[in-house]
Amino acid sequence: AQSVTQLGSHVSVSEGALVLLRCNYSSSVPPYLFWYVQYPNQGLQLLLKYTSAATLVKGINGFEAEFKKSETSFHLTKPSAHMSDAAEYFCAVSGGTGGFKTIFGAGTRLFVKA
Amino acid sequence: GAVVSQHPSWVICKSGTSVKIECRSLDFQATTMFWYRQFPKQSLMLMATSNEGSKATYEQGVEKDKFLINHASLTLSTLTVTSAHPEDSSFYICSASRGGITEAFFGQGTRLTVV
Repeated sequence: AQSVTQLGSHVSVSEGALVLLRCNYSSSVPPYLFWYVQYPNQGLQLLLKYTSAATLVKGINGFEAEFKKSETSFHLTKPSAHMSDAAEYFCAVSGGTGGFKTIFGAGTRLFVKA
Repeated sequence: GAVVSQHPSWVICKSGTSVKIECRSLDFQATTMFWYRQFPKQSLMLMATSNEGSKATYEQGVEKDKFLINHASLTLSTLTVTSAHPEDSSFYICSASRGGITEAFFGQGTRLTVV
């Protein structure tokens, strides 16, 4: 079975500050890991994905994440927050016998203060 | 490429009626499609997995007689909410995948409101 735990349901940062959203996963097989962003009343947008290639993954809008197998983590970072980054962020895992059944974490709401 | 389209984007229906939501893969053949449900301010919960030409596999706790899923072709899966009630109001999202790719692609979601 696969699962994802996102630490912190809400994260608040000041504009220009570092963004760090935490994600830990559990998987009995090599996982594929994803970060998605969801703006209010909209669908999901893929920020980045890890699929067993480079452990440091760069995504859209200046976001990146590092896969750390020893820590079973896939934290999302952005050096400088922008007001437009305020949204809900979901970490997700897939792979193994479930095909690309994607299991989502509970989500982290990012607030950006001016 | 890899575009998944859902229709309708939003729908309002009366309690007791049925509503059908379509999920189409526009530029690839989807051997597997997934249906998710998202309540306000919550995460996406997987409802069922459907493979083309086979019966859907439902997650524990999901009523298969209430949420009918049909995956009749490699580009279309439908979710029918039967005898809808206000508690079925939610955001429904589908995703599609095929062999040889490393992710599932998501539709834009359908907002269902039952009045």
